[in-house]
Amino acid sequence: AQSVSQHNHHVILSEAASLELGCNYSYGGTVNLFWYVQYPGQHLQLLLKYFSGDPLVKGIKGFEAEFIKSKFSFNLRKPSVQWSDTAEYFCAVNRGNKLVFGAGTILRVKS
Amino acid sequence: GAGVSQSPSNKVTEKGKDVELRCDPISGHTALYWYRQRLGQGLEFLIYFQGNSAPDKSGLPSDRFSAERTGESVSTLTIQRTQQEDSAVYLCASSQAGGKSYEQYFGPGTRLTVT
Repeated sequence: AQSVSQHNHHVILSEAASLELGCNYSYGGTVNLFWYVQYPGQHLQLLLKYFSGDPLVKGIKGFEAEFIKSKFSFNLRKPSVQWSDTAEYFCAVNRGNKLVFGAGTILRVKS
Repeated sequence: GAGVSQSPSNKVTEKGKDVELRCDPISGHTALYWYRQRLGQGLEFLIYFQGNSAPDKSGLPSDRFSAERTGESVSTLTIQRTQQEDSAVYLCASSQAGGKSYEQYFGPGTRLTVT
């Protein structure tokens, strides 16, 4: 079935470690891709998005993601995480009128 | 400005009862979406409203689920004869318009527990 896959459900890192969260999708054709983040007790909010153009997208709080069409991937990266990055991260693909989400990755950053 | 608001924030109901969840989108946003998030899973699309067009109901899991929207404002999601598997967080989102190019802004969700 067509879907969005996030490879890790739980990730634990120490502060200053580098982060990469994997996201793969199985849809063909043109895709719009998103990463959303939900900090503890807060709303789901947009971290970054890719529609077209430069496949390396920069978002808020030092996050970036790279769209690799040949690999159907849109991995999220941050060179040095902070304790405040503790949150749940969701990858999503826009399909028609809706967003299709991955299952989410819970990131815990140890101070 | 004000974001998307939802009420109630928490709802506990007995199996078999009906529940109604409310969403107030951002003012001026013509598109409104409902999603469901079960524990440990990603968000599942339920229904989409865009202006006066017929809603996209393709994600509603059964005929116990229905939703209405008054013009371009408030929406209510109704679940009849609730079942335990309906327990989830129900999220509402709105966007400036429909289609792929517009960011969806999410509300805080309603946590529904069916006992």
